[in-house]
Amino acid sequence: SQQGEEDPQALSIQEGENATMNCSYKTSINNLQWYRQNSGRGLVHLILIRSNEREKHSGRLRVTLDTSKKSSSLLITASRAADTASYFCATDRGSTLGRLYFGRGTQLTVWP
Amino acid sequence: ETGVTQTPRHLVMGMTNKKSLKCEQHLGHNAMYWYKQSAKKPLELMFVYSLEERVENNSVPSRFSPECPNSSHLFLHLHTLQPEDSALYLCASSQNEVADYYEQYFGPGTRLTVT
Repeated sequence: SQQGEEDPQALSIQEGENATMNCSYKTSINNLQWYRQNSGRGLVHLILIRSNEREKHSGRLRVTLDTSKKSSSLLITASRAADTASYFCATDRGSTLGRLYFGRGTQLTVWP
Repeated sequence: ETGVTQTPRHLVMGMTNKKSLKCEQHLGHNAMYWYKQSAKKPLELMFVYSLEERVENNSVPSRFSPECPNSSHLFLHLHTLQPEDSALYLCASSQNEVADYYEQYFGPGTRLTVT
């Protein structure tokens, strides 16, 4: 069954703007990950944030994690048309065995 | 390229056919996964193999049969499928340690259509 719940389901912005996507989950976790998927392709890993971390950066990406609220956010700064994709969060439901449970994703469209 | 390849990329099969999906990872990972992605549904974990041993079978119907002959190869054997099995099937791999794991690397997927 679904674990992460991304919000919003769809987001449409102009190039240069920032995009913020949120993820809520229900169980305790060890790690939370964000992935990106271009239409009909495989997923690409973006960032892994551990439960004892609050913020992590990678290039134009910033991920925050609030375990007390069971939520995470992904911020993409200075967005580009090439950032158009679906973005998913995935959690492990407290397991260390590498099993991931994904949400439905946020479809981000960046207009040139 | 993520280091995970899948063949075929597209497959159309009738409900009485038998076919197999193949996945190969070139990353030296010790765990491999099959996922199913249907339209408007979350990605569903189907099978997990860790060190070539199946450790997860998420109530998947028996018409899907996985095989992991070694840590680099993973197969999904299909027989007597239903139209609702039409989906994108994704393979992934990761390096898992004792009490820890790392990110998963996904293949491009096989788009399966059951007619």
